[in-house]
Amino acid sequence: QKEVEQDPGPLSVPEGAIVSLNCTYSNSAFQYFMWYRQYSRKGPELLMYTYSSGNKEDGRFTAQVDKSSKYISLFIRDSQPSDSATYLCAMSPWGAGSYQLTFGKGTKLSVIP
Amino acid sequence: NAGVTQTPKFRILKIGQSMTLQCAQDMNHEYMSWYRQDPGMGLKLIYYSVGAGITDKGEVPNGYNVSRSTTEDFPLRLELAAPSQTSVYFCASSRGRGETQYFGPGTRLLVL
Repeated sequence: QKEVEQDPGPLSVPEGAIVSLNCTYSNSAFQYFMWYRQYSRKGPELLMYTYSSGNKEDGRFTAQVDKSSKYISLFIRDSQPSDSATYLCAMSPWGAGSYQLTFGKGTKLSVIP
Repeated sequence: NAGVTQTPKFRILKIGQSMTLQCAQDMNHEYMSWYRQDPGMGLKLIYYSVGAGITDKGEVPNGYNVSRSTTEDFPLRLELAAPSQTSVYFCASSRGRGETQYFGPGTRLLVL
């Protein structure tokens, strides 16, 4: 079993839809959870960052972490064509390994006008 | 601040050639790292550094070398390039443990 599993999609939704992106993981030591957005031919940029379990909201974006199920989600409300990108989940453990991010493969999202 | 900068943007190498990918950051970050990203795959950690003079291997270090003589710079050296090293290489930096990692724009490398 891979440490981080993420459905690569592609996922295509109409403008205004609610988008749900998910990752599962197997390493119970992971404590930091991140979502990166990557536009074509660009570097990843941090979208959301959470520590341990719970929810975090930032504008149209909500990140959820369920450590008991080893499952994280990113919700995008009122999706826009500018949200079309690849979304990568990433996570790291506490302690000495916290510098080392483990990434999912990324989900490619297209928002159709 | 320029953030994290990488040069070159794109390079074609012949098998067996060597090159150095440059990475610099102007945010005074202690932690820097190199990742590679293959098509349809997530990023895999090659090497990382927690400060000047300190480096360590990541998940896929074979075929690469790094050095960290200053806080600002973290070059990645490819010796004897192989087609398997065709990839997009990203450098990242962060202030410290558990902090946000900021990525550079990437270097596309093609080994023929």
